[in-house]
Amino acid sequence: QSVLTQPPSASGTPGQRVTISCSGSSSNIGSNTVNWYQQLPGTAPKLLIYSNNQRPSGVPDRFSGSKSGTSASLAISGLQSEDEADYYCAAWDDSLNVLVFGGGTKLTVL
Amino acid sequence: QVQLVESGGGVVQPGRSLRLSCAASGFTFSSYAMHWVRQAPGKGLEWVAVISYDGKNKYYADSAKGRFTISRDNSKYTLYLQMNSLRAEDTAVYYCAKDQGFVEMETSFDYWGQGTLVTVSS
Repeated sequence: QSVLTQPPSASGTPGQRVTISCSGSSSNIGSNTVNWYQQLPGTAPKLLIYSNNQRPSGVPDRFSGSKSGTSASLAISGLQSEDEADYYCAAWDDSLNVLVFGGGTKLTVL
Repeated sequence: QVQLVESGGGVVQPGRSLRLSCAASGFTFSSYAMHWVRQAPGKGLEWVAVISYDGKNKYYADSAKGRFTISRDNSKYTLYLQMNSLRAEDTAVYYCAKDQGFVEMETSFDYWGQGTLVTVSS
C-alpha cells in the first residue's frame, strides 16, 4: 500500500469537472506541500501542480489543486479527451525522510 | 531547453550490479538537487533517492537503502545510480528527475528523463 491514498480510478464526460483526492497524514501532507503529476500513456510523468496549488508554465488553468489538513485534491474542469491519463500526488514525509507517492488514479474520459 | 537522458539500463541477473547514468543539459546542473524515480511494469511511481545540489546530502527509499548509491559529477553534468545486489522486484523503468528548487530542495520534479528499463531476471 502507498503512504498516500488515492482512488484507483475516476471518470467523467467531456466538459465535466472531476476531482481526485489524496489522503495522507500529519508527517507528509500535513507538514509539507503536495505536488501532482500527470502521466499520459507510454510517456514520462509531467509536473501538473506544485506547492499545493501552483501551476507550472504551460499547464492550463483547467487544472487546480488544493490542500486542507492531511488531504489534498486535484480538480480538472472542462474535461477533455486528452486529459485521459494517470495522476499521482506526492509529498515529502518528515517521519520517514522519504518522498512518498500516491498509488495513482487512472482518469477515463467517457 | 532542459534535457535529461538516462542510460545504462538492460537485462541483469539477480545479485548482479548495474550503474545508471543521467546526462543533463540546458540548466545549471550544479544548482539543483536530482532524484531517481522508478516505475515497475504496470505499477505506480516509486521514489528511489535524492542527492543535493552539491552531493553532500543523500536520502534513499527503504527499498534502496544499503544496495543503491546515488552520486553526481557536476563537472560532467551527470547523475548516477549504482545498483548492487539487484532483485527481481527492482525491475522497472528508472527516471531521473530535476528538483524544482534552486539550491534548496523542494521535492517537486519539473523535468523528467524518458526513462531507462532495468530488467532483473535469470
